[in-house]
Amino acid sequence: AQTVTQSQPEMSVQEAETVTLSCTYDTSENNYYLFWYKQPPSRQMILVIRQEAYKQQNATENRFSVNFQKAAKSFSLKISDSQLGDTAMYFCAFMKHVKRGGADGLTFGKGTHLIIQP
Amino acid sequence: GAGVSQSPSNKVTEKGKDVELRCDPISGHTALYWYRQRLGQGLEFLIYFQGNSAPDKSGLPSDRFSAERTGESVSTLTIQRTQQEDSAVYLCASSQSASGTYEQYFGPGTRLTVT
Repeated sequence: AQTVTQSQPEMSVQEAETVTLSCTYDTSENNYYLFWYKQPPSRQMILVIRQEAYKQQNATENRFSVNFQKAAKSFSLKISDSQLGDTAMYFCAFMKHVKRGGADGLTFGKGTHLIIQP
Repeated sequence: GAGVSQSPSNKVTEKGKDVELRCDPISGHTALYWYRQRLGQGLEFLIYFQGNSAPDKSGLPSDRFSAERTGESVSTLTIQRTQQEDSAVYLCASSQSASGTYEQYFGPGTRLTVT
């Protein structure tokens, strides 16, 4: 079984600052996928960024980037030039590798509530 | 449709009653998932359906919970004899697993309150 740990229940930064959210996980799998999801007050889960474990290069999506340390089982999310609209719950999630056409449920951390102050 | 839809958006029921929650996945998505999110918590995986394969029910918390899916379309999650601890937001997601990206697209959820 996999576990995902987010050790920061809440973080608050000023608009335009850079913030890093931490995530660690435990698994015996060698191939897997990691995700960061955002959940604003509307409750809608939105995928922020995705990382395949076999890729050494860290994923980036505009202002969002990850620091993936496979040996340390760490997957932190960095948000640059933070904006008021970034205020939300952020969830780290794990999915073990499945063959093409397969599926599996996600294992989520408990989330970090990020507040961007004006 | 354009996204995953769920109904109802909110449901209040009395303890002991049965409830049915509905999910309409994105058209063409072969995989469908149900999750539960208790207040202030992360999402807990409940069950998934993938094409014609037998569903993975490993996350269902008790035999009061069951789910069905008709082909590759609508799914219903049924909770029998509801208990107060069943109060949560129930989220549905779908994915096109053949794409190899494994991204799950979520619906807006159903907030269930058991009184």
